[in-house]
Amino acid sequence: EIVLTQSPGTLSLSPGERATLSCRASQSGRGSYVAWYQQKPGQAPRLLIYDASSRATGIPDRFSGSGSGTDFTLTISRLEPEDFAVYYCQHYGSSPPYSFGQGTKLEIK
Amino acid sequence: QVQLVQSGAEVKKPGSSVKVSCKVSGGTSSNYALNWVRQAPGQGLEWVGGIVPVFGAANYARRFQGRVTITTDDSTGTTNMELRSLRSEDTAVYYCAREAGVKQPFFDSWGQGTLVTVTS
Repeated sequence: EIVLTQSPGTLSLSPGERATLSCRASQSGRGSYVAWYQQKPGQAPRLLIYDASSRATGIPDRFSGSGSGTDFTLTISRLEPEDFAVYYCQHYGSSPPYSFGQGTKLEIK
Repeated sequence: QVQLVQSGAEVKKPGSSVKVSCKVSGGTSSNYALNWVRQAPGQGLEWVGGIVPVFGAANYARRFQGRVTITTDDSTGTTNMELRSLRSEDTAVYYCAREAGVKQPFFDSWGQGTLVTVTS
């Protein structure tokens, strides 16, 4: 089973700044990809990015994803107040199991 | 617009079982897998298992093998997750989450979550 490690654990930034969140997989594999989710308190996660770099429907273009192999990045180009939340990466291949990172909390500085 | 509506909160004793249901409406996609993801209080997300309703075969995370069963009821459009031999560490919010498409195992639709509390 692939283990995902997200860093940093907590990121303190101000609105308008750029956020860079990292997700590292313990191994890579053919046809393996990463998705990113945003979760706010008391809510279910929301899909932001899939296949490492494709934005989900309705997601603003300030959110972007990149990476391949074992290293993936979620970038928020210019933080809005509503972007402060916890972010999770998810690894998936052609079949289960699926794994999640432990999350990065993005907080207002 | 697909909607996933889950059953209500449960309080269970250690050693007992719980069954959580998830009803999918607003879409005709029984070949999209329905997964269960849990989140313990203050913790991250953990994949429990999933099923493709039209096929009926489920996959489970290794740590839950033998303790969890995921089934579907085509007549009601409901997917159920039963977790047995409950322990306090199973206290969590359990979400159902639907995959975005065939061979697209990321989750674009989520239920509202069901809190399962295991306490003596």
